[in-house]
Amino acid sequence: EPEVTQTPSHQVTQMGQEVILRCVPISNHLYFYWYRQILGQKVEFLVSFYNNEISEKSEIFDDQFSVERPDGSNFTLKIRSTKLEDSAMYFCASSGSGGASQFFGPGTRLTVL
Amino acid sequence: KNQVEQSPQSLIILEGKNCTLQCNYTVSPFSNLRWYKQDTGRGPVSLTIMTFSENTKSNGRYTATLDADTKQSSLHITASQLSDSASYICVVYSSASKIIFGSGTRLSIRP
Repeated sequence: EPEVTQTPSHQVTQMGQEVILRCVPISNHLYFYWYRQILGQKVEFLVSFYNNEISEKSEIFDDQFSVERPDGSNFTLKIRSTKLEDSAMYFCASSGSGGASQFFGPGTRLTVL
Repeated sequence: KNQVEQSPQSLIILEGKNCTLQCNYTVSPFSNLRWYKQDTGRGPVSLTIMTFSENTKSNGRYTATLDADTKQSSLHITASQLSDSASYICVVYSSASKIIFGSGTRLSIRP
């Protein structure tokens, strides 16, 4: 069964460093998403991406964040200068259409020291 | 304010028993409501999607209901199994940018 994959599973970084979280969505999906979940809190929407551009983003997704689909398979989330409060699980998701079920990846646990 | 409230916060039941989880929302405008199952340390897995016109939808032992008038939804699990132990999250979609997650109900199934 096709699935969304994410790498790395755990990333530890120093405050102020740049990190890139990688996702490989399901191959025939067209819509891509990033979410985050701070430990013990709700999942929060960050951004959606379609047709090689951001379609929607939340208030959380400020200038520190960027997304890219550098090739036909990868979808990346970059955090330019990490802060302690960026520590969270980051989930990538993809769907075949805007209203269809989103398939989530296993997440990347980001720890900022 | 757009909110999704779930109850109970946590629930413990014996294997084989049924249970019902509740979700109340104030998100507007409403597009659809989804229930997800999230195992600890894993990504959420979609269980059901319900639009405004749908009152009930089943997925195996999971049955979701939606009352768009009262803005309430429930997720009923029948004949619970140990593998049902997880957090169940209610998510309301207003638009692509307004995706409001509930805090989840942590369900524990005891043998």
